[in-house]
Amino acid sequence: AQSVAQPEDQVNVAEGNPLTVKCTYSVSGNPYLFWYVQYPNRGLQFLLKYITGDNLVKGSYGFEAEFNKSQTSFHLKKPSALVSDSALYFCAVRGGYTGFQKLVFGTGTRLLVSP
Amino acid sequence: GAGVSQTPSNKVTEKGKYVELRCDPISGHTALYWYRQSLGQGPEFLIYFQGTGAADDSGLPNDRFFAVRPEGSVSTLKIQRTERGDSAVYLCASSLISGLAGSVSGELFFGEGSRLTVL
Repeated sequence: AQSVAQPEDQVNVAEGNPLTVKCTYSVSGNPYLFWYVQYPNRGLQFLLKYITGDNLVKGSYGFEAEFNKSQTSFHLKKPSALVSDSALYFCAVRGGYTGFQKLVFGTGTRLLVSP
Repeated sequence: GAGVSQTPSNKVTEKGKYVELRCDPISGHTALYWYRQSLGQGPEFLIYFQGTGAADDSGLPNDRFFAVRPEGSVSTLKIQRTERGDSAVYLCASSLISGLAGSVSGELFFGEGSRLTVL
């Protein structure tokens, strides 16, 4: 069965500094990988996805993520953090030979950007 | 509407009662998902519909939970004999079917959820 791991419960970064939120995945076959963001009392919002092609994927709000097959990772990055980026971030994976249509989420990483 | 709509946004009920949660997906999206999110956790898959049929219900925790989508659009999640442990935010999402073999390769669009509290 597919799964994702987000090893950090929380990431703290100062505004203007680069940020990285880590994600590793496990799936048989080719993965479809996603990042979502959740603001307080709001639904999940799609940020970006990797399906195939370029390993560096660019998404909304200046975020990008790098797919690394050998390390089975899909870390979320942003060159310069904003206070408004503070939110809960979820990595998710779809794939494998069974339950292919099911999108499986990690436990989430809280990002706190200080002024 | 433009997005996924879920009603009610908040539901407080007593242990043992029956609850229905409704989801209205984005027009034209044939794939519909239900997830459950407990406090401090990631969304947990419950069930996936492709059209009117439940293509994968492996995430339903027990037979108290049931979901329908009779006309391939609106879906209702039904919970019988609610328990305090059912308290969570129930999220609905929809997506397009595309690609080879009708796969869902695109992103899911989520509603804002229905917060269920069982007293």
